Amino acid sequence: DAKTTQPPSMDCAEGRAANLPCNHSTISGNEYVYWYRQIHSQGPQYIIHGLKNNETNEMASLIITEDRKSSTLILPHATLRDTAVYYCPLTQGGSEKLVFGKGTKLTVNP
Amino acid sequence: DAGVIQSPRHEVTEMGQEVTLRCKPISGHDYLFWYRQTMMRGLELLIYFNNNVPIDDSGMPEDRFSAKMPNASFSTLKIQPSEPRDSAVYFCASSFRTRRSAQHFGDGTRLSIL
Repeated sequence: DAKTTQPPSMDCAEGRAANLPCNHSTISGNEYVYWYRQIHSQGPQYIIHGLKNNETNEMASLIITEDRKSSTLILPHATLRDTAVYYCPLTQGGSEKLVFGKGTKLTVNP
Repeated sequence: DAGVIQSPRHEVTEMGQEVTLRCKPISGHDYLFWYRQTMMRGLELLIYFNNNVPIDDSGMPEDRFSAKMPNASFSTLKIQPSEPRDSAVYFCASSFRTRRSAQHFGDGTRLSIL
């Protein structure tokens, strides 16, 4: 199974862009990259996902490198409410399974 | 729109008792997932269903765990007998149609086995 690697923690100033990296060097061609976040003890919240192309929605942007070995989630204007643990799970092969790693604890500071 | 609904939100019970966790997926979703989250192991998939049929139960830890989905709007995860090491937060999630769509998670059941 392809694995993901993320820094354990990051800090960001309120109002600045938060760029969260994810390494998935063993990703297969049919595996999607997803981003979720988990605020305190709530259920994970979907943010965005992609296969090859960069994606943008109302919450964030996803940049996937051309070789697909890494990606970056961009929160353009971080707020205190964006403080959370961010995960970049992959779909496992051709299945619906999401395999979560340890995530990045993002702290947005005032 | 109503999201994924889980009950109970909290459960405290004694070792050896049967525990039943319940989940109502989002209406129209045809995939349902059960996850477990602990500090040691993180978030791990236990089992998932498609159109009420179990597809992959390779994450179910042992025979004490069982999951059912009798219809499209209800699923249960049962632990019998329960053990202290089963203490965790259990999440249910649902999604529509393909892996190109997002899984929507419930708020979880926090289970404590004494």
